[in-house]
Amino acid sequence: EAGVTQFPSHSVIEKGQTVTLRCDPISGHDNLYWYRRVMGKEIKFLLHFVKESKQDESGMPNNRFLAERTGGTYSTLKVQPAELEDSGVYFCASSPKTGRSSYNEQFFGPGTRLTVL
Amino acid sequence: GEDVEQSLFLSVREGDSSVINCTYTDSSSTYLYWYKQEPGAGLQLLTYIFSNMDMKQDQRLTVLLNKKDKHLSLRIADTQTGDSAIYFCAEGIYNQGGKLIFGQGTELSVKP
Repeated sequence: EAGVTQFPSHSVIEKGQTVTLRCDPISGHDNLYWYRRVMGKEIKFLLHFVKESKQDESGMPNNRFLAERTGGTYSTLKVQPAELEDSGVYFCASSPKTGRSSYNEQFFGPGTRLTVL
Repeated sequence: GEDVEQSLFLSVREGDSSVINCTYTDSSSTYLYWYKQEPGAGLQLLTYIFSNMDMKQDQRLTVLLNKKDKHLSLRIADTQTGDSAIYFCAEGIYNQGGKLIFGQGTELSVKP
């Protein structure tokens, strides 16, 4: 079974440009999460989809970030326009349908390293 | 709010035991997880413990939980060079869709 995949693995852009990151979760996983790790700091939650619906987007830094999950399958995270502080590693994770308080193993992709110059 | 703290670096010799520590703040019933990240790879779940447990052992891994002090530790017995990686402690928050709150990660370096 294929794991979570992310594309691209690296992206280097200039400040002010637009970048779109893609995540393909494990097939059949309803939950999809985006996280970000900035330069040696903690991995921070960005948002959570259940199927195609945004369940929790409390971690999105600002309105330059837009996440979508078309048809409840893959997800994209667009940054427009990119700023220097957006540099970091963006991780995507997926998990099967789960109850509110049950164990929830999240399967992570390898991440996309974004560098904004 | 929720917060998870870890020390940043740990260096041990091959064959020794490694102990990675973590503290968390949320008092709701949660699961606590340990993830491992090898260079260039994603996060791999190593083990987990439910917050009403004190200890969990899985081969070379032992997780200890002190719920009163909100302190979690991961002990790796007979540490090998292949254990060199970044280890993240994470808390799964009750009734918040399963989102994880991570610490900064502890970089474990194993010297031969």
